[in-house]
Parts: sequence; structure tokens; C-alpha cells
Amino acid sequence: GAGVSQSPSNKVTEKGKDVELRCDPISGHTALYWYRQSLGQGLEFLIYFQGNSAPDKSGLPSDRFSAERTGGSVSTLTIQRTQQEDSAVYLCASSLGQQAQPQHFGDGTRLSIL
Amino acid sequence: AQSVTQLDSQVPVFEEAPVELRCNYSSSVSVYLFWYVQYPNQGLQLLLKYLSGSTLVESINGFEAEFNKSQTSFHLRKPSVHISDTAEYFCAVTAGGQLTFGSGTQLTVLP
Repeated sequence: GAGVSQSPSNKVTEKGKDVELRCDPISGHTALYWYRQSLGQGLEFLIYFQGNSAPDKSGLPSDRFSAERTGGSVSTLTIQRTQQEDSAVYLCASSLGQQAQPQHFGDGTRLSIL
Repeated sequence: AQSVTQLDSQVPVFEEAPVELRCNYSSSVSVYLFWYVQYPNQGLQLLLKYLSGSTLVESINGFEAEFNKSQTSFHLRKPSVHISDTAEYFCAVTAGGQLTFGSGTQLTVLP
């Protein structure tokens, strides 16, 4: 079946612009996660959605970052007033949501801020 | 809160040689442990996991990892590596919900 799909695969934008990154999770997966992967920084947790519960936003680095998940499926990560330090690969993952279920990752969106 | 330490950022090894990628974790509660592999320009793929039961877990491509509670380790091993194993490997831990990842180990298999 289809895996986690992320779009766009690459995004180049100017400093100060807003960007939206999209994630389509695997059908039936109730949990959805966003991570950021920066060169030399490893993987950084951003936000976690589980069903209809309030999301865990504890990893968002600033109030310029926000995410929503509509209808319990597709998620959008929005970065407002982008800065050069926002340049990274943004990875989305989904899982069945039960504790310890493995997460399935998309190929990521490579974001470059000029 | 939990944390993961991968002790080696780069591991070069010759083809058909054995390899061990080290992972140590810390947590105040019981955790579940994972190894993920990332090939260039791709997302992460689950390699193997420890949830409970036997402390030795295996993947379909010859990797294995052993959960050692007393040493809080989950080292990844393979007795004979192939060129195609060249990738970055991430150890991860969760007590439920978000994963906490190590900083990754780049395994480079040399001909």
C-alpha cells in the first residue's frame, strides 16, 4: 500500500516568506509526527498528533511554527517569516498510534531559505 | 524524559567485515527501542525493534541488536557487511508517543 507522502520534496524560498509543508499519512494511522533533520543536529521532534487529542507541541522551536491536522488525516506544517536557520529536511511519520508501534516515515521536504 | 547516545558518528568498515554500532539510552521509565536506517535522500526506514520478550532481535537483512538493561544499551551488529549497507543508522527510544533519536552513525562500507 501507499506509504507516507510529503510535498513538496524540495522548497526554496526567500527569508521572511511563509511556507507550508504537507504530509499525507498512511491510511488508518491515527498518530502523526513532524521532525526536523538539520545537518549535524540529528533528528529533532517538532509536534505529535494522536487521534482527536490535543497535539503535543512541545518540540516546536518558536511561535513561527504551527501545524494542523484536518479530519484526522492530512497535516500541514506552516513556518511563518522564515529564517535561514529554518533550512533543514522536515520529516513526517505516522503510526497506528498504539504505544510502541513503529513509525513510518515519508521521504521529507528539503527546505532551503535564501 | 529519555535520551539516546550514539557513540560513533562515523564508522568505516571493509566489505564482509563485522560491524557494531553502539547505542546507549537513559530513561526513568520502561522504554521501547528501535533502530532506523536512512539511505541518501530518503526518509527513515525501520530496521528492527525491541518491545519486550527476547532481548536479541533480528532484521531480515542480517542485522541484530541486543537489549541490555543493566548497561542501558541496544547495540546494532552485523557479522558481514555489504556495500549496500552504507547508510546512516539512528537509534531511537520511546516511552510512548514521540521518539527520541540519537545523533546517528554514518556506516560506510568500503570495497
